[in-house]
Amino acid sequence: AQSVTQLDSHVSVSEGTPVLLRCNYSSSYSPSLFWYVQHPNKGLQLLLKYTSAATLVKGINGFEAEFKKSETSFHLTKPSAHMSDAAEYFCVVSEGNTGNQFYFGTGTSLTVIP
Amino acid sequence: GAVVSQHPSWVICKSGTSVKIECRSLDFQATTMFWYRQFPKQSLMLMATSNEGSKATYEQGVEKDKFLINHASLTLSTLTVTSAHPEDSSFYICSARDLGALAKNIQYFGAGTRLSVL
Repeated sequence: AQSVTQLDSHVSVSEGTPVLLRCNYSSSYSPSLFWYVQHPNKGLQLLLKYTSAATLVKGINGFEAEFKKSETSFHLTKPSAHMSDAAEYFCVVSEGNTGNQFYFGTGTSLTVIP
Repeated sequence: GAVVSQHPSWVICKSGTSVKIECRSLDFQATTMFWYRQFPKQSLMLMATSNEGSKATYEQGVEKDKFLINHASLTLSTLTVTSAHPEDSSFYICSARDLGALAKNIQYFGAGTRLSVL
Protein backbone atom coordinates (compact mmCIF):
# COMPACT_ATOMS: atom_id res chain seq x y z
CA ALA A 1 0.00 0.00 0.00
CA GLN A 2 1.10 3.52 -0.72
CA SER A 3 0.77 6.50 1.58
CA VAL A 4 2.37 9.86 2.19
CA THR A 5 2.82 11.83 5.39
CA GLN A 6 3.62 15.51 5.28
CA LEU A 7 4.87 16.21 8.75
CA ASP A 8 4.04 19.92 8.88
CA SER A 9 0.69 21.35 7.92
CA HIS A 10 2.13 24.86 7.99
CA VAL A 11 5.64 26.27 7.65
CA SER A 12 6.59 29.90 8.01
CA VAL A 13 9.98 31.29 6.93
CA SER A 14 11.50 34.71 6.40
CA GLU A 15 12.32 35.83 2.88
CA GLY A 16 15.88 34.85 1.98
CA THR A 17 16.10 31.99 4.52
CA PRO A 18 16.09 28.27 3.69
CA VAL A 19 12.94 26.26 3.17
CA LEU A 20 12.44 22.68 4.35
CA LEU A 21 9.16 20.86 3.73
CA ARG A 22 9.14 17.32 5.06
CA CYS A 23 7.62 14.24 3.45
CA ASN A 24 7.74 10.59 4.42
CA TYR A 25 6.26 7.84 2.31
CA SER A 26 5.23 4.23 2.51
CA SER A 27 5.29 2.05 -0.57
CA SER A 28 5.12 -1.64 -1.29
CA TYR A 29 6.90 -1.12 -4.59
CA SER A 30 9.78 0.94 -5.85
CA PRO A 31 8.05 4.31 -5.75
CA SER A 32 7.91 7.38 -7.91
CA LEU A 33 7.71 10.55 -5.84
CA PHE A 34 6.61 14.03 -6.78
CA TRP A 35 6.28 17.49 -5.32
CA TYR A 36 3.54 19.75 -6.64
CA VAL A 37 2.82 23.37 -5.77
CA GLN A 38 -0.62 24.96 -5.73
CA HIS A 39 -1.17 28.70 -5.59
CA PRO A 40 -4.56 29.97 -4.37
CA ASN A 41 -7.45 28.99 -6.65
CA LYS A 42 -5.07 27.39 -9.11
CA GLY A 43 -4.30 23.88 -10.26
CA LEU A 44 -1.19 21.95 -9.31
CA GLN A 45 2.17 22.60 -10.92
CA LEU A 46 4.87 19.93 -10.98
CA LEU A 47 7.97 21.09 -9.10
CA LEU A 48 10.07 17.96 -9.43
CA LYS A 49 9.93 14.17 -9.65
CA TYR A 50 11.93 11.15 -8.57
CA THR A 51 11.58 8.06 -10.76
CA SER A 52 14.47 5.77 -9.72
CA ALA A 53 17.29 7.76 -11.29
CA ALA A 54 19.48 10.19 -9.33
CA THR A 55 18.45 10.44 -5.68
CA LEU A 56 19.00 14.21 -5.57
CA VAL A 57 16.43 15.76 -7.81
CA LYS A 58 16.50 19.36 -8.96
CA GLY A 59 13.26 21.06 -9.90
CA ILE A 60 11.99 24.40 -11.01
CA ASN A 61 12.34 27.70 -9.15
CA GLY A 62 15.41 26.55 -7.23
CA PHE A 63 13.72 23.69 -5.39
CA GLU A 64 15.31 20.31 -4.91
CA ALA A 65 14.51 17.10 -3.05
CA GLU A 66 16.51 14.09 -1.96
CA PHE A 67 15.18 10.56 -2.05
CA LYS A 68 16.41 8.65 1.03
CA LYS A 69 15.26 5.06 0.91
CA SER A 70 16.64 4.19 4.34
CA GLU A 71 14.61 6.98 5.90
CA THR A 72 11.65 6.65 3.49
CA SER A 73 11.81 10.39 3.05
CA PHE A 74 11.61 12.87 0.18
CA HIS A 75 12.02 16.29 1.77
CA LEU A 76 11.76 19.44 -0.34
CA THR A 77 14.32 22.20 0.13
CA LYS A 78 15.24 25.59 -1.25
CA PRO A 79 18.26 27.62 -0.13
CA SER A 80 16.55 31.00 -0.13
CA ALA A 81 12.82 31.63 0.06
CA HIS A 82 11.14 34.17 -2.16
CA MET A 83 7.80 35.86 -1.57
CA SER A 84 6.40 34.12 -4.65
CA ASP A 85 7.06 30.73 -3.02
CA ALA A 86 4.13 31.23 -0.66
CA ALA A 87 1.70 28.47 -1.63
CA GLU A 88 0.44 24.99 -0.76
CA TYR A 89 2.83 22.11 -1.42
CA PHE A 90 1.82 18.51 -1.94
CA CYS A 91 4.03 15.43 -1.77
CA VAL A 92 2.76 12.55 -3.92
CA VAL A 93 3.72 8.89 -4.27
CA SER A 94 2.93 6.51 -7.11
CA GLU A 95 3.87 2.92 -7.88
CA GLY A 96 7.03 2.57 -9.98
CA ASN A 97 7.04 4.26 -13.37
CA THR A 98 3.63 3.18 -14.55
CA GLY A 99 1.49 3.32 -11.44
CA ASN A 100 -1.89 4.74 -12.24
CA GLN A 101 -2.98 6.28 -8.99
CA PHE A 102 -1.48 9.19 -7.11
CA TYR A 103 -1.46 9.15 -3.32
CA PHE A 104 -1.41 12.70 -1.97
CA GLY A 105 -0.10 14.01 1.28
CA THR A 106 -2.32 16.40 3.21
CA GLY A 107 -0.30 19.39 2.06
CA THR A 108 1.98 21.96 3.67
CA SER A 109 1.11 25.63 3.55
CA LEU A 110 4.23 27.78 3.17
CA THR A 111 4.16 31.37 4.36
CA VAL A 112 7.05 33.69 3.49
CA ILE A 113 7.50 36.68 5.77
CA PRO A 114 8.99 39.80 4.20
CA GLY B 1 5.74 21.10 -21.52
CA ALA B 2 2.45 19.25 -21.28
CA VAL B 3 -0.49 21.60 -20.82
CA VAL B 4 -3.93 20.75 -19.53
CA SER B 5 -6.71 23.26 -20.02
CA GLN B 6 -9.78 23.22 -17.81
CA HIS B 7 -12.91 25.23 -18.49
CA PRO B 8 -14.69 27.04 -16.97
CA SER B 9 -12.51 28.33 -14.17
CA TRP B 10 -15.49 29.51 -12.14
CA VAL B 11 -19.17 28.69 -12.42
CA ILE B 12 -22.20 29.69 -10.36
CA CYS B 13 -25.43 27.81 -10.87
CA LYS B 14 -28.84 27.37 -9.31
CA SER B 15 -29.68 24.31 -7.30
CA GLY B 16 -31.13 21.56 -9.50
CA THR B 17 -29.30 22.53 -12.66
CA SER B 18 -26.46 20.62 -14.32
CA VAL B 19 -22.97 21.89 -14.94
CA LYS B 20 -20.39 20.58 -17.40
CA ILE B 21 -16.65 20.98 -16.87
CA GLU B 22 -14.19 20.34 -19.69
CA CYS B 23 -10.64 19.08 -19.42
CA ARG B 24 -8.40 19.16 -22.48
CA SER B 25 -4.83 18.05 -23.07
CA LEU B 26 -3.50 20.69 -25.44
CA ASP B 27 -0.24 19.27 -26.74
CA PHE B 28 -0.36 15.57 -26.00
CA GLN B 29 -2.72 12.62 -26.14
CA ALA B 30 -4.17 11.46 -22.87
CA THR B 31 -5.76 8.05 -22.79
CA THR B 32 -6.24 8.46 -19.06
CA MET B 33 -7.53 11.51 -17.24
CA PHE B 34 -8.39 11.94 -13.58
CA TRP B 35 -11.00 14.00 -11.77
CA TYR B 36 -10.37 15.28 -8.27
CA ARG B 37 -12.36 17.23 -5.75
CA GLN B 38 -10.72 19.55 -3.25
CA PHE B 39 -12.37 21.01 -0.18
CA PRO B 40 -10.99 24.21 1.37
CA LYS B 41 -7.62 23.77 3.07
CA GLN B 42 -7.61 20.06 2.26
CA SER B 43 -5.82 17.71 -0.09
CA LEU B 44 -7.16 16.38 -3.37
CA MET B 45 -9.66 13.54 -3.32
CA LEU B 46 -9.73 11.30 -6.39
CA MET B 47 -13.27 11.00 -7.70
CA ALA B 48 -12.77 8.93 -10.83
CA THR B 49 -10.37 7.74 -13.49
CA SER B 50 -11.49 8.49 -17.03
CA ASN B 51 -10.33 6.19 -19.82
CA GLU B 52 -10.76 7.14 -23.46
CA GLY B 53 -13.41 5.08 -25.15
CA SER B 54 -14.57 3.23 -22.06
CA LYS B 55 -16.51 3.80 -18.88
CA ALA B 56 -14.93 5.75 -16.07
CA THR B 57 -13.83 4.03 -12.89
CA TYR B 58 -15.31 5.72 -9.84
CA GLU B 59 -13.84 5.74 -6.35
CA GLN B 60 -15.84 4.34 -3.50
CA GLY B 61 -18.50 6.74 -2.28
CA VAL B 62 -18.66 8.78 -5.49
CA GLU B 63 -22.08 8.69 -7.15
CA LYS B 64 -21.62 7.83 -10.80
CA ASP B 65 -25.11 9.02 -11.71
CA LYS B 66 -24.42 12.40 -10.15
CA PHE B 67 -20.95 12.92 -11.56
CA LEU B 68 -21.12 11.88 -15.20
CA ILE B 69 -17.77 11.47 -16.92
CA ASN B 70 -17.27 11.23 -20.65
CA HIS B 71 -13.90 10.70 -22.33
CA ALA B 72 -14.82 10.64 -26.00
CA SER B 73 -11.47 11.59 -27.48
CA LEU B 74 -7.78 11.37 -26.67
CA THR B 75 -7.69 15.03 -25.70
CA LEU B 76 -11.01 15.71 -24.00
CA SER B 77 -12.76 14.50 -20.86
CA THR B 78 -15.87 16.11 -19.39
CA LEU B 79 -17.38 16.00 -15.92
CA THR B 80 -21.06 16.82 -15.61
CA VAL B 81 -22.46 17.53 -12.17
CA THR B 82 -26.12 16.64 -12.54
CA SER B 83 -28.88 18.23 -10.46
CA ALA B 84 -26.33 20.18 -8.49
CA HIS B 85 -26.98 21.04 -4.87
CA PRO B 86 -25.14 23.38 -2.49
CA GLU B 87 -23.19 20.47 -1.01
CA ASP B 88 -21.64 19.92 -4.46
CA SER B 89 -19.97 23.31 -4.23
CA SER B 90 -16.26 22.66 -4.35
CA PHE B 91 -13.06 23.02 -6.35
CA TYR B 92 -12.82 20.38 -9.09
CA ILE B 93 -9.46 19.63 -10.70
CA CYS B 94 -8.65 17.40 -13.64
CA SER B 95 -5.34 15.87 -14.61
CA ALA B 96 -3.98 13.86 -17.52
CA ARG B 97 -1.14 11.48 -18.13
CA ASP B 98 1.11 11.78 -21.16
CA LEU B 99 1.76 8.21 -22.21
CA GLY B 100 4.21 9.45 -24.81
CA ALA B 101 6.51 10.73 -22.09
CA LEU B 102 9.36 8.72 -20.61
CA ALA B 103 7.91 9.01 -17.13
CA LYS B 104 4.45 7.78 -17.93
CA ASN B 105 2.91 8.24 -14.53
CA ILE B 106 3.36 12.00 -14.26
CA GLN B 107 0.02 13.75 -14.02
CA TYR B 108 -0.40 17.22 -15.47
CA PHE B 109 -3.11 19.26 -13.80
CA GLY B 110 -5.64 21.73 -15.05
CA ALA B 111 -6.16 25.04 -13.28
CA GLY B 112 -9.32 23.84 -11.58
CA THR B 113 -12.98 24.84 -11.63
CA ARG B 114 -14.62 26.56 -8.68
CA LEU B 115 -18.29 25.47 -8.57
CA SER B 116 -20.73 27.42 -6.43
CA VAL B 117 -24.29 26.11 -6.22
CA LEU B 118 -26.85 28.57 -4.89
